[in-house]
Amino acid sequence: DAGVIQSPRHEVTEMGQEVTLRCKPISGHDYLFWYRQTMMRGLELLIYFNNNVPIDDSGMPEDRFSAKMPNASFSTLKIQPSEPRDSAVYFCASSKSLGGVETQYFGPGTRLLVL
Amino acid sequence: AQSVAQPEDQVNVAEGNPLTVKCTYSVSGNPYLFWYVQYPNRGLQFLLKYITGDNLVKGSYGFEAEFNKSQTSFHLKKPSALVSDSALYFCAVRDMRDYKLSFGAGTTVTVRA
Repeated sequence: DAGVIQSPRHEVTEMGQEVTLRCKPISGHDYLFWYRQTMMRGLELLIYFNNNVPIDDSGMPEDRFSAKMPNASFSTLKIQPSEPRDSAVYFCASSKSLGGVETQYFGPGTRLLVL
Repeated sequence: AQSVAQPEDQVNVAEGNPLTVKCTYSVSGNPYLFWYVQYPNRGLQFLLKYITGDNLVKGSYGFEAEFNKSQTSFHLKKPSALVSDSALYFCAVRDMRDYKLSFGAGTTVTVRA
């Protein structure tokens, strides 16, 4: 399996622009998570989905952030408009419910720089 | 609420020496505990997890971790460190009733040759 795939790997944009980050989870996984990593705040869970349905979005910082999962193999995290403080590494992770304790597998991340 | 503390920002050891990375946790119910490793410009890689049963958990790359309920700790250990173990290590916890993982701030491990 190719693992969790994220694109783009790097994104540089200007303040006010729309940014869309993409994630393809591991095939067969039914949970998908979006995290943000910064030096100041560490790893933060933004939102997670189960069977394409958002379950908990309490970590989404504000209305400028939105996430969708139109099908089992694709999710997007959108920031509109972007601000310099959104600069971070954004990770997507997926897991498969097995009736036990599932392990989350992380993608390589998207490094976002907002100028 | 659940949380994880990694009391050491950095751990430095010589190659061949034992390596320990400390982690303590707080969770209202029974904990599920994880260790991940992150190499520069890479995503997090799963090392091991504790669910229930034997308090000593063995994982990838020769790492192991010991769950101690009375001390609410889950320290990561490796008997003989390698230079290639130099990376950022994260401890994480979740409550058995929730899918949300809470991560510690991370510990940078440097193994010198």
